[in-house]
Amino acid sequence: EVQLVESGGGLVQPGRSLRLSCAASGFTFDDYAMHWVRQAPGKGLEWVSGISWNSGSIGYADSVKGRFTISRDNAKNSLYLQMNSLRAEDTALYYCAKDIGPAAALPNYWGQGTLVTVSS
Amino acid sequence: QLVLTQSPSASASLGASVKLTCTLSSGHSSYAIAWHQQQPEKGPRYLMKLNSDGSHSKGDGIPDRFSGSSSGAERYLTISSLQSEDEADYYCQTWGGVFGGGTKLTVL
Repeated sequence: EVQLVESGGGLVQPGRSLRLSCAASGFTFDDYAMHWVRQAPGKGLEWVSGISWNSGSIGYADSVKGRFTISRDNAKNSLYLQMNSLRAEDTALYYCAKDIGPAAALPNYWGQGTLVTVSS
Repeated sequence: QLVLTQSPSASASLGASVKLTCTLSSGHSSYAIAWHQQQPEKGPRYLMKLNSDGSHSKGDGIPDRFSGSSSGAERYLTISSLQSEDEADYYCQTWGGVFGGGTKLTVL
């Protein structure tokens, strides 16, 4: 059974940093691309970033480019999101998602999310 | 620019069928999409990948009541024999991380 468990969310002040983690199990992690998708309170889904199976291809939404960094450790079956210079508009539930294949395209499994609140 | 357009809301009666639409922007009618369901207070769940020719591959455990079809730039999700647990938000998504705005389905 595919399992994706996010952690690292919390309350953080504007301008500070936070690092999210996603522990994956139930599939061969290094065969698949991975994504971070967020959902602000009462809003729709917004893709944040994606990374291919070997980290060779990485993409970011314009809203986070230059502030967020996605990475993965295939030896630890883990996905990360380093978030710097956080803003109030980054407040959201952040989901980790597994792709259907090795190159970042479409997610087919989702975690339960970790909440990030940016407020002073 | 690649954009996916969904109606904000839809409704149908218990036991009936409903067809939700996702429209690809001009020049992108050959793109495949994915449909995701998000029940209230839950994380999203992948329903299916839907190709431009209407062929689709469903996720694990998705009931036969859920099906997909395509026509030009339109991608459809049909839910038959509606059940109360089908009341949810439905999102389409395509390459490059583009999401539609979602359709809130109410089961009457």
